[in-house]
Amino acid sequence: GAGVSQSPSNKVTEKGKDVELRCDPISGHTALYWYRQRLGQGLEFLIYFQGNSAPDKSGLPSDRFSAERTGESVSTLTIQRTQQEDSAVYLCASSLLVGTGDYGYTFGSGTRLTVV
Amino acid sequence: SQQGEEDPQALSIQEGENATMNCSYKTSINNLQWYRQNSGRGLVHLILIRSNEREKHSGRLRVTLDTSKKSSSLLITASRAADTASYFCATDGGGSYIPTFGRGTSLIVHP
Repeated sequence: GAGVSQSPSNKVTEKGKDVELRCDPISGHTALYWYRQRLGQGLEFLIYFQGNSAPDKSGLPSDRFSAERTGESVSTLTIQRTQQEDSAVYLCASSLLVGTGDYGYTFGSGTRLTVV
Repeated sequence: SQQGEEDPQALSIQEGENATMNCSYKTSINNLQWYRQNSGRGLVHLILIRSNEREKHSGRLRVTLDTSKKSSSLLITASRAADTASYFCATDGGGSYIPTFGRGTSLIVHP
């Protein structure tokens, strides 16, 4: 695709429900990143995928968070038993070159998650 | 982990004025990037400067990098109301492939 696509754009869910967020990276981009951004805050790293290597999950805040990516295609971020503190914009980014971001990172428009 | 921190947190100027925002980081880097974010959604890549570069230009943007001070500045000349946004710096390096972002500078340009 022309850019990084994220869906849904907005999601309102009840506390305790599971949610699944989707990211379609730019075709051919080997690296994919998930970030969380709370209102008025910076970007908080969650997880990094690089090709078929084991993902770097060091940023996941709890075991309620998980993510998958098959090869260099779509990634899904799953939050189980959502809490109000999970309310944030979840951003996905992909890049062409391995980790170095020589051409910058291309971000999707994000999914705004609201837990009520 | 290294992290860019932008300064000031907020900046309010009149259209036509220049806007300068700064970024400081903690450890060695491969490169430093600046991004713009409108309305709290996706970030748009503005400019990338490598660790061996000192200055870079792109249109009305000028970025400097001082690795001895571990700092960078972003200058927007002749600002426009459309430049109103949050600006973030991101760094990677020191063995990490994960770009880390600061909290951003919120820029408001009054018409």
